[in-house]
Order: sequence, then structure tokens, then C-alpha cells
Amino acid sequence: DTEVTQTPKHLVMGMTNKKSLKCEQHMGHRAMYWYKQKAKKPPELMFVYSYEKLSINESVPSRFSPECPNSSLLNLHLHALQPEDSALYLCASGPTPLLNGQYFGPGTRLTVL
Amino acid sequence: AQSVTQLDSHVSVSEGTPVLLRCNYSSSYSPSLFWYVQHPNKGLQLLLKYTSAATLVKGINGFEAEFKKSETSFHLTKPSAHMSDAAEYFCVVSDQDSNSGYALNFGKGTSLLVTP
Repeated sequence: DTEVTQTPKHLVMGMTNKKSLKCEQHMGHRAMYWYKQKAKKPPELMFVYSYEKLSINESVPSRFSPECPNSSLLNLHLHALQPEDSALYLCASGPTPLLNGQYFGPGTRLTVL
Repeated sequence: AQSVTQLDSHVSVSEGTPVLLRCNYSSSYSPSLFWYVQHPNKGLQLLLKYTSAATLVKGINGFEAEFKKSETSFHLTKPSAHMSDAAEYFCVVSDQDSNSGYALNFGKGTSLLVTP
């Protein structure tokens, strides 16, 4: 299995909602990543987990809360988001050491109203 | 500090002609370099990576890139473009930094258009 899956594909939420994005991989990778991508821009790294521990947090606002329950799953919990948080959220996994090439999921298109 | 510069924001080629997407990097240490492709409304796909082994790197779908330290370049090439190659391409550098311990930078992207 060489795929990273993400659910849901699309999500529309209000600023007071709580929602979660989910990511799963079965390639045995021990590093997993969350990125945010705005239209016509490159992805921006948000969080990196290595061996289920948070290794990198790129000063992301606390309304984004990552969780890595096991080596195959990565969640991103969303609460009190702002309209400017609307973007494509990409999950990736890869071998360690970190940042040694990643395999991306198709993304979740998030719209905050 | 390290960064990448993709020299062209848009490249247009005819189907069947060669593709050249240019990327220059700056790095204080020994970088790892990557090319990713993103088709519309899709995630990114790793095309190829350089991690200090062979300087000529072959990737998927007929793409290859050559690491040239003297020119600090990592240009992506393909001998013959297909219509399906039309997409956004990102050059990426990752590096170990003595201060932060890591660094990852995406180029701004090059949009490849392939005309019949």
C-alpha cells in the first residue's frame, strides 16, 4: 500500500464549530506531516510527528491541534477557526530521518464561513 | 540558511518537445533536494530526490534532474512532454541547520503548460 488517505475530501465549517481532519498511511513510515496550502502557493509546513511524538511545530495557532494516536494515523483538530484558515490541508508521511522525501495525501479542502 | 529559487513561474512547451524547469538552491550544509508535481485539486507527488548519492537522479514518468554543486542548481528535465505533464512543479530543499536542527523550503512553483 503506497497511499496516504485523507478524510474528508471537503469540509465546510463555521467559526464556532469543532471538526477534525484525518490522515492514514500503511507504508510503515514513522514521520507524518501536516501542511497548509493556499491557492497558487506552495505548501506551508505546520506540524511534524516523528515516532508518534511532535517534533516540529511551526508556530501554528492553538486553534489547530494535532494528534498522532498511532504510527499509521494523524489527526488535526480544528476549533474556532477564522475565514483566512480556508485552504487545502495536506497530510504527508515519509521515512526517517525527517524531511527525507514525503508522500502526500490528496488533501482536505477546508472552507471556514 | 537555505532556500530555493524556481526561475520561471510559467513554462509552456509543445507536446513531444523537451521540458526544462529550473531550480537554484542555496544551502550552508549538504542539502537534500526534491521535485514534486501537483496536478489541479490533487496532493503533491514526489518525482525524484537527491540525497548526496548520484548527481544525476532519475525519477518517475521519465523525469530526471542533475545536481550541480558548482552552479547550485537542480534543474528538472524530460526529453518529451506529454499532455498529462501539465501541472504545478515544486522544487524543495531540506537541510540540517546547526541552530534550528532542520529546515525545509519550497520554491514558489512553476506552472507547466503543454500545448498540442
